[in-house]
Amino acid sequence: EDKVVQSPLSLVVHEGDTVTLNCSYEVTNFRSLLWYKQEKKAPTFLFMLTSSGIEKKSGRLSSILDKKELSSILNITATQTGDSAIYLCAVRGGSNYKLTFGKGTLLTVNP
Amino acid sequence: DGGITQSPKYLFRKEGQNVTLSCEQNLNHDAMYWYRQDPGQGLRLIYYSQIVNDFQKGDIAEGYSVSREKKESFPLTVTSAQKNPTAFYLCASSNQGGSPEAFFGQGTRLTVV
Repeated sequence: EDKVVQSPLSLVVHEGDTVTLNCSYEVTNFRSLLWYKQEKKAPTFLFMLTSSGIEKKSGRLSSILDKKELSSILNITATQTGDSAIYLCAVRGGSNYKLTFGKGTLLTVNP
Repeated sequence: DGGITQSPKYLFRKEGQNVTLSCEQNLNHDAMYWYRQDPGQGLRLIYYSQIVNDFQKGDIAEGYSVSREKKESFPLTVTSAQKNPTAFYLCASSNQGGSPEAFFGQGTRLTVV
């Protein structure tokens, strides 16, 4: 059974801080790892990391895939209150395109 | 606009009743998914479908049923056998190739009264 573990489960920081969110996984025939941000209802896509694309960056957000350690980190620099959300990590593996999510990290950024 | 539409947004069900949650997509995606979200539990996979007329159980399929008669539609029925159905339900879809990230609908919040 595929497994995704995220840490920490919750995190409270002040505006301007830098945060690192962690995701580790166990999956058969790894295909990709995805990060999502969930503010209200629908999760929105942030990054997809694969064996051929292990590092992604967009503005203050960046993510790295460590294939050896079977893990990924999501970094957010100079955090803003608008970054407050649940950050979800998911992995896709095997030939069936099943997408398995972790429990998420609840990030709260205080002014 | 292309996207995924879930309906209704809020649903109240009496104990012992079956209810069906609707999910429609016009993205021409092959794969569709149903997830359940409870506080502190992240997203748990109920069912998924890669092609029309085929679907597989996820991690928590007991008490749920689905159908995939059309590519654009993947309804979820919450049956009376589901002992704790109160939750937030999310539908998603993705392509088999290209950019396979999943896109989500806005969700349905089901409450048993």
